[in-house]
Amino acid sequence: DIQMTQSPASLSASLEEIVTITCQASQNIGNWLAWYQQKPGKSPQLLIYGTTSLADGVPSRFSGSRSGTQYSLKISRLQVEDIGIYYCQQASSTPYTFGAGTKLELK
Amino acid sequence: EVQLVESGGGLVQPGRSLKLSCAASGFTFSNYYMAWVRQAPKKGLEWVATISTSGSRTYYPDSVKGRFTISRDNAKSSLYLQMNSLKSEDTATYYCARYSGYWYFDFWGPGTMVTVSS
Repeated sequence: DIQMTQSPASLSASLEEIVTITCQASQNIGNWLAWYQQKPGKSPQLLIYGTTSLADGVPSRFSGSRSGTQYSLKISRLQVEDIGIYYCQQASSTPYTFGAGTKLELK
Repeated sequence: EVQLVESGGGLVQPGRSLKLSCAASGFTFSNYYMAWVRQAPKKGLEWVATISTSGSRTYYPDSVKGRFTISRDNAKSSLYLQMNSLKSEDTATYYCARYSGYWYFDFWGPGTMVTVSS
């Protein structure tokens, strides 16, 4: 199985700050990576797919990138509504595996 | 508007069975692969099952293979998960999810909680 190692596990940041979350794949997954946001008490929502493509309705302050087998989610100016837990997911091969999550809080 | 609504969760004893349902609306259900994804309390996400548009192909991780069965009724726009030989580690919120056309989950239901305990 492909392991997705996500870091940090938790992150505290200020409004308008730049936030970066990373995911390291245990093997090559190409661009088959997605990011999800889960707000407290809610189901996950797709943010980014194919490493860099924004899902419908997702603000442009969110962006995704890749360097080798390391993938990053960047929030350019943190807003209150961005608070939650973020998960990466590889879609290269079954079982489709998720990272352990990054809990993003306001400082 | 795409809507997915799960039902059928509850408290069940270890070794027993439970069947979850997911009612879909707002899109042509028969055109999409569908999946179940679960989340144990305060834990991360785990893919549980996938079914093709016709229902002829199904996929499972080793953790549930042989115990869980995913199925669908396209005439009723409904997805199901039959869970047998339940274990305490199956305790989780179970989400019905739609595949985007690639292997990403673009819509999720609110989830239904399954608790396996004696």
